Amino acid sequence: AQSVAQPEDQVNVAEGNPLTVKCTYSVSGNPYLFWYVQYPNRGLQFLLKYITGDNLVKGSYGFEAEFNKSQTSFHLKKPSALVSDSALYFCAVRASGGSYIPTFGRGTSLIVHP
Amino acid sequence: ETGVTQTPRHLVMGMTNKKSLKCEQHLGHNAMYWYKQSAKKPLELMFVYNFKEQTENNSVPSRFSPECPNSSHLFLHLHTLQPEDSALYLCASSQKPAGGQDNSPLHFGNGTRLTVT
Repeated sequence: AQSVAQPEDQVNVAEGNPLTVKCTYSVSGNPYLFWYVQYPNRGLQFLLKYITGDNLVKGSYGFEAEFNKSQTSFHLKKPSALVSDSALYFCAVRASGGSYIPTFGRGTSLIVHP
Repeated sequence: ETGVTQTPRHLVMGMTNKKSLKCEQHLGHNAMYWYKQSAKKPLELMFVYNFKEQTENNSVPSRFSPECPNSSHLFLHLHTLQPEDSALYLCASSQKPAGGQDNSPLHFGNGTRLTVT
């Protein structure tokens, strides 16, 4: 079985400050990890993924995520937050060689204050 | 434009009505999904189709009936719904390779906001 935990329902950060949205996972074997963003009244949009290789993955809109195998984490980061980054963020995991259907976390609401 | 188009964007229906949600993907993908997103609840996988064959039915009540006539189109037929079925219904697609590693992300439509009165 595979699972994803996003321990924070909401993250608040001031504009210009760095942001981190946390994600930990559990999977048998090697993980494929994904981050998605959802703006109000829209579907989820793919941000970035980790498959293999470099532990630091860069994605859309200046976001990056760091894969940490020992801590089974894949935290989403951005050096300088924008008000327009305010949205719902979802982490997802799929096992390499396992089901192609990903398991999503519950989502974290990011609020960036001006 | 997301490559996955859902219609209608909003739907209000009574409990005795019959309606259908439509999803079309223009990405050449071979797998399609229905998800339900309710307020303050996790994203719920409902159905998955792979090459037009249903591969997943996540214990969804029979008042929801999916149809996948081809790899580009997916429908969700609704009848005798309950107020608790009010939610955002999201369609997604992905490319599942015939062999090798499958690491492609899902592509989502913007959803249909369903209200059952």
